[in-house]
Amino acid sequence: QSALTQPRSVSGSPGQSVTISCTGTSSDVGGYHYVSWYQQHPGKAPKLMIYDVNKRPSGVPDRFSGSKSGNTASLTISGLQAEDEADYYCCSYAGSYTWVFGGGTKLTVL
Amino acid sequence: EVQLVESGGGLVQPGGSLRLSCAASGFTFNNYWMHWVRQAPGKGLVWVSHINSDGSSTSYADSVKGRFTISRDNAKNTLYLQMNSLRAEDTAVYYCARDRNYHEDYWGQGTLVTVSS
Repeated sequence: QSALTQPRSVSGSPGQSVTISCTGTSSDVGGYHYVSWYQQHPGKAPKLMIYDVNKRPSGVPDRFSGSKSGNTASLTISGLQAEDEADYYCCSYAGSYTWVFGGGTKLTVL
Repeated sequence: EVQLVESGGGLVQPGGSLRLSCAASGFTFNNYWMHWVRQAPGKGLVWVSHINSDGSSTSYADSVKGRFTISRDNAKNTLYLQMNSLRAEDTAVYYCARDRNYHEDYWGQGTLVTVSS
């Protein structure tokens, strides 16, 4: 149950695109189509942004997209806006009804 | 509107026990799996435990296995986490979350557990 690996921080200017990676193993990210991404603003509860690798819940802007290749999943945010500045976490099903989160990535909008 | 409201957090001494509750409303509670996820101060999210819809199946992170017990009362629309033998490293905000097909789609606001002498 080792945490998935995310970069500690990423940054971008308004209007630009950024991509956050999430690296696991064949026992979690690589083994299932159940990767999700969460946005968390300071002092707030996490909010679901992407599920099943690349699906967006109702109400999440289409600027947010997800993908996966092998053991690495990615979250791409295009057309960066100031309100996107937050912490982002990936999560993967890891089999036997266990889940594992990434360590989190702080997104700074310059 | 889906609502999850945690309660029961507080200050407890190392080795002590605490029971967290999560009151659910706005959806048919007994149709959904549920999770507990925690976040130590300034740290990331960590999955803690899962329970299926009727409570017959549970799972735990290795770090809490044997010390924590997840349960639910579907008649009361409430999820629980019994935490025993608490350690300083259990200090965190504990969130309950609803599962929708292997991901957590709704989260509560969390309850803070502080383990300290």
